[in-house]
This record gives sequence, structure tokens and C-alpha cells, in this order.
Amino acid sequence: EAQVTQNPRYLITVTGKKLTVTCSQNMNHEYMSWYRQDPGLGLRQIYYSMNVEVTDKGDVPEGYKVSRKEKRNFPLILESPSPNQTSLYFCASSARGYGYTFGSGTRLTVV
Amino acid sequence: GDSVTQMEGPVTLSEEAFLTINCTYTATGYPSLFWYVQYPGEGLQLLLKATKADDKGSNKGFEATYRKETTSFHLEKGSVQVSDSAVYFCALIFQGGSEKLVFGKGTKLTVNP
Repeated sequence: EAQVTQNPRYLITVTGKKLTVTCSQNMNHEYMSWYRQDPGLGLRQIYYSMNVEVTDKGDVPEGYKVSRKEKRNFPLILESPSPNQTSLYFCASSARGYGYTFGSGTRLTVV
Repeated sequence: GDSVTQMEGPVTLSEEAFLTINCTYTATGYPSLFWYVQYPGEGLQLLLKATKADDKGSNKGFEATYRKETTSFHLEKGSVQVSDSAVYFCALIFQGGSEKLVFGKGTKLTVNP
């Protein structure tokens, strides 16, 4: 089944403790992207990647890092999480022109 | 920059009512247009899309037509069901760019039996 898999689905962590949210797609898509969804603010892009080793900042990149060492994987790294990064995170992938396929989401709480 | 404006919600309808959710966009060039749906507790699913002017996207009884002259992509369904209750997002991708997906704020639809 074609899908984008994110892990974990739920995560509660403490301020300053580094964490990684994994994202993997099995559709051989070139494009991958991370979004966060917050009430009243909608979906905002954090980082995106156009192919292996090609990444760029989205609208709200501060406090996040990404890497794209393999085509299928696009992890999101929070080096020092803070409470304002409490949010619902979505990974997505796309082939050009086809629209994005989204993962099921990761609900992160930073206390 | 590119942007999407969709009607504010929430929208509450009775089963079998007609649905319209308005969406307009601002973009240079000719973007591809999409509607995504997010059911409670789930991720976003692509509902339909259109890639050029006058294209009509359709899926699950929903339709939307790419109107270049009015820069609109309104979502319609002739008879909604309780199972259509969800949040609907209009979005665009500017062709030839970085494939960035730009979303509207979302419209929450509740359908009552």
C-alpha cells in the first residue's frame, strides 16, 4: 500500500530533550515536506526537500532541522524542544504535479 | 506571494443538503489547485485536484472547477452525508516552482442527521 509513515503518533517530552520524528514514504517521491498544524493558524510548512540532499526552509523553520540522506526518509529533528513547539506535525510526499500524500500525524507535547 | 482564501466556518448542514465551500486564490502564473479533507483524528487526504483552467476535479460526489477568470476553486456536493463531517482545506501548488503546497485556513463542516 502506498503510504507515508510517521512515528511516533504521540509524544510527550520535556523542554530541551532532543527528539526525532521519523517519516518514510514507499512511493519513490522526489518531494517531501513537513507541516505543523495549530488551531487558528492552519497548516504551515516547516521544511521541504526536492530530492536527496536538497532541503530548504519553509515558513516556520526556527527550532527544527531536517535531513534527506535517502529518498524515502525525511526525519524532523528538534534539537532543543520548547513548549511553543507543541503541535500536530504532518509529513507529506509528492511526485511533481500529483498533489501530496500525507502521513497520519504526530501529536507532540513539550512540557 | 501565493495565497488561498476559503470561507470561514464552521458550516453546519442537515443530511442531503447542498454544500458549497468557497475558495479563491492569489498566485502568479497558473497553479495546480487541490481540495484536501481531514476527518477527525486523522491526517489529510487528497479529495480532488485540477491542474489547468476549466478542469473539473471530482471524487466521492464532490466537485470543483478551476475558474481562472475568477481565480476560484469552489467545492460543491449535491447531497451531503453525516460521514462528510470533516475539515476541508483548499490548497495550491505553483507550477514550475518548489512544489510548495499553500493551504487555506480550513473550513469545518458538520452534517447532522
